[in-house]
Amino acid sequence: GNSVTQMEGPVTLSEEAFLTINCTYTATGYPSLFWYVQYPGEGLQLLLKATKADDKGSNKGFEATYRKETTSFHLEKGSVQVSDSAVYFCALLIQGAQKLVFGQGTRLTINP
Amino acid sequence: KAGVTQTPRYLIKTRGQQVTLSCSPISGHRSVSWYQQTPGQGLQFLFEYFSETQRNKGNFPGRFSGRQFSNSRSEMNVSTLELGDSALYLCASSLAEVVAGRETQYFGPGTRLLVL
Repeated sequence: GNSVTQMEGPVTLSEEAFLTINCTYTATGYPSLFWYVQYPGEGLQLLLKATKADDKGSNKGFEATYRKETTSFHLEKGSVQVSDSAVYFCALLIQGAQKLVFGQGTRLTINP
Repeated sequence: KAGVTQTPRYLIKTRGQQVTLSCSPISGHRSVSWYQQTPGQGLQFLFEYFSETQRNKGNFPGRFSGRQFSNSRSEMNVSTLELGDSALYLCASSLAEVVAGRETQYFGPGTRLLVL
């Protein structure tokens, strides 16, 4: 079946630290991959995406590379800020269906 | 361009009642998907509508239903509410033309439903 596994949280870092949130997936076919972010009391915001192998998505200093050989899409940021505190979701879009499959989410807290 | 809007934002109901939630997609988007978010089960797909037709459905009981209108606005209905239906209900829209599965979904702020 189709599934997404994310790094267990919560993750707590100091400002300006390096961030990695691991994400691996299982899918039939060739899914598109996404990272969404959710701030308290809000819906999901698209952070970045990649639609094929070796694509790199990037936005607001965050990056993730679609690795087909390791079925991974790890999220990275070189220097985090307090404003990056949120819950991050890795997701895949099933080929042939407008259906997102989400990981369990990783809560990130950045301390000043 | 305005984003996805959902009404109401908050709702309190009692067991056995029914509820209708509304979603207006981004202008020009014809696909609307619904998701349920709970602390225990995370984010789960309910169903997707395109051109007024349900195109995909998740594993939820028949108490959960939806529809889409000719202007692409969508509603979802939950009948005979149970305590476990308390959740954040998220709507997402996408261009998603004839072939599904390649279009980015953009989410609304959600409707928080509390069932007492």
